[in-house]
Amino acid sequence: QVQLQESGPGLVKPSETLSLTCTVSGVSISNYYWSWIRQPPGKGLEWIGYIYYSESTNYNPSLKSRVTISVDTSKKQFSLKLSSVTAADTAVYYCARVEGPYKIFDYWGQGTLVTVSS
Amino acid sequence: EIVLTQSPGTLSLSPGERATLSCRASQSVSDNFFAWYQQKPGQAPRLLIYGASSRATGIPDRFSGSGSGTDFTLTISRLEPEDFAVYYCQQFGSSPGYTFGQGTKLEIK
Repeated sequence: QVQLQESGPGLVKPSETLSLTCTVSGVSISNYYWSWIRQPPGKGLEWIGYIYYSESTNYNPSLKSRVTISVDTSKKQFSLKLSSVTAADTAVYYCARVEGPYKIFDYWGQGTLVTVSS
Repeated sequence: EIVLTQSPGTLSLSPGERATLSCRASQSVSDNFFAWYQQKPGQAPRLLIYGASSRATGIPDRFSGSGSGTDFTLTISRLEPEDFAVYYCQQFGSSPGYTFGQGTKLEIK
């Protein structure tokens, strides 16, 4: 079955770059969009951006200047980099698959908490 | 940017009762690109409804979605204990892509 697993540091210092990787199994990474979504503790969901296997991307305008999403089809992974982080970037970060026609998030990773603190 | 406003913020009901959750968009959204998710504590959201009214795979038929344009509704016909959770609506559009509602917490009365 389709599985997604986030990995990366759980603690990042202010002003540094947050880096996470999502490893996909059970499905080809090709022909799908793949997305990052985050959720600050006790708050709602915020879409960060998505990437197509061909490497075209779309980012949330509120984060666009700091976000880079990339894909490595050979490793079946896609990655998130968020630069110049502050405490406001502390959140659970989820990776998710975007289902084609309806543009829905049909499979999610379990999420990983990233805390921004010195 | 399309803003989704969910109401009520918290809904207190008993098992067996009917739940009606609302999501209003600041401008018209495509029915095809409107969805509902359920999230339980410590878990990732789970897709319930897509295309405004289609149930996702494995979702019980007590869950139903309706609406179009700017007003959408998620109805749970008879609440089961496992239905108490937070529910989010979501839309996809050309800019900025995706937005979520702020969530409705469905709690046991």
